[in-house]
Amino acid sequence: DTGVSQNPRHKITKRGQNVTFRCDPISEHNRLYWYRQTLGQGPEFLTYFQNEAQLEKSRLLSDRFSAERPKGSFSTLEIQRTEQGDSAMYLCASSRGLSGGQETQYFGPGTRLLVL
Amino acid sequence: AQRVTQPEKLLSVFKGAPVELKCNYSYSGSPELFWYVQYSRQRLQLLLRHISRESIKGFTADLNKGETSFHLKKPFAQEEDSAMYYCALQDTNAGKSTFGDGTTLTVKP
Repeated sequence: DTGVSQNPRHKITKRGQNVTFRCDPISEHNRLYWYRQTLGQGPEFLTYFQNEAQLEKSRLLSDRFSAERPKGSFSTLEIQRTEQGDSAMYLCASSRGLSGGQETQYFGPGTRLLVL
Repeated sequence: AQRVTQPEKLLSVFKGAPVELKCNYSYSGSPELFWYVQYSRQRLQLLLRHISRESIKGFTADLNKGETSFHLKKPFAQEEDSAMYYCALQDTNAGKSTFGDGTTLTVKP
């Protein structure tokens, strides 16, 4: 297992188009997180899954955003009707999902989205 | 609401000099704090976490609840320490993290 992987690594799209990103977490990691990062800022939390259940969504996640993790393994993040403000790096992370906190999150390389 | 502040966007030191990257947080519960590092062209990775009380690559960080700070320190900086450093506060229940905006550390020869 080489760590968290994300595809595609880069995506250029036109405003109004839909895009979908994929994240493959580390095997046997129960938690999966999506973050968004814009230039000059740290990652901002979008949503996370415990196995296949989506447990929390940030207010940043508008109705145009949807995430799934159907079998508790890989996850997809879809953005519908993209806007220029959606241009950012989308990061995925996974962790073991143990209780008691102090969860080390392992990050993927990110998908850089540019909306023209 | 939880918040993490890294007051310095850029920090530049000479090799061998001490370095301190500041991090302040706001959180109503018992904080769980981390430092992540991102080297050039690499992914974000964990550097250290406060509960471990360990030293990684010569870096240490002490949680000061009174000052709500978790500053990262290293007594003698090396050129290979040049990177972007993020302080992060983890939600106790969910594990989601709130990140600061990062400090770019440059260690000059």
